[in-house]
Amino acid sequence: AQSVTQLGSHVSVSEGALVLLRCNYSSSVPPYLFWYVQYPNQGLQLLLKYTSAATLVKGINGFEAEFKKSETSFHLTKPSAHMSDAAEYFCAVTVRSNDYKLSFGAGTTVTVRA
Amino acid sequence: KAGVTQTPRYLIKTRGQQVTLSCSPISGHRSVSWYQQTPGQGLQFLFEYFSETQRNKGNFPGRFSGRQFSNSRSEMNVSTLELGDSALYLCASSLRGQATNEKLFFGSGTQLSVL
Repeated sequence: AQSVTQLGSHVSVSEGALVLLRCNYSSSVPPYLFWYVQYPNQGLQLLLKYTSAATLVKGINGFEAEFKKSETSFHLTKPSAHMSDAAEYFCAVTVRSNDYKLSFGAGTTVTVRA
Repeated sequence: KAGVTQTPRYLIKTRGQQVTLSCSPISGHRSVSWYQQTPGQGLQFLFEYFSETQRNKGNFPGRFSGRQFSNSRSEMNVSTLELGDSALYLCASSLRGQATNEKLFFGSGTQLSVL
């Protein structure tokens, strides 16, 4: 079965600094990978999605992620953190053979220091 | 266009009771999926309904059930509540469902506390 592991449950960055959230996946078949963001007291919102069209995926709010098959990784980055980026971020994986049921990582909470 | 609406926003129940949660998808969306979110287990898939039929199911006991109506609104029911059922329950809608790997739109969730 497919799964994702998010490294680090909490990340603290200074405003203007690089945001790097790590996600590694496990799948025996080509995966589809997602990053979702959850702001306090809200549901999840899709940031970006990898579907094998391009290894570098650009999402909303200045985020991007790169699919690296050799490293089984799909890390999320943003060059310059903003206070509004404070939220919880989830990496998720799905595969066609499992009817595309989403499997989520445990989440990484990002705090942004002024 | 209105987003996914979940009611109620908060719910407090006691052990042994049952509870029904409601989810109204985005207009035109025919698929509704339910997820349980807890600090310990993270986000776990409960089930998906499409055109009033359960199309997919996660690994939860039979106490967790759901249904979907002809207008695509969905309800989730949990019977004989246990303390461990305390969680944020999220529903997500999409046009054609998870089997097409399309984007999911999430509601803000129902926070259930079991005392």
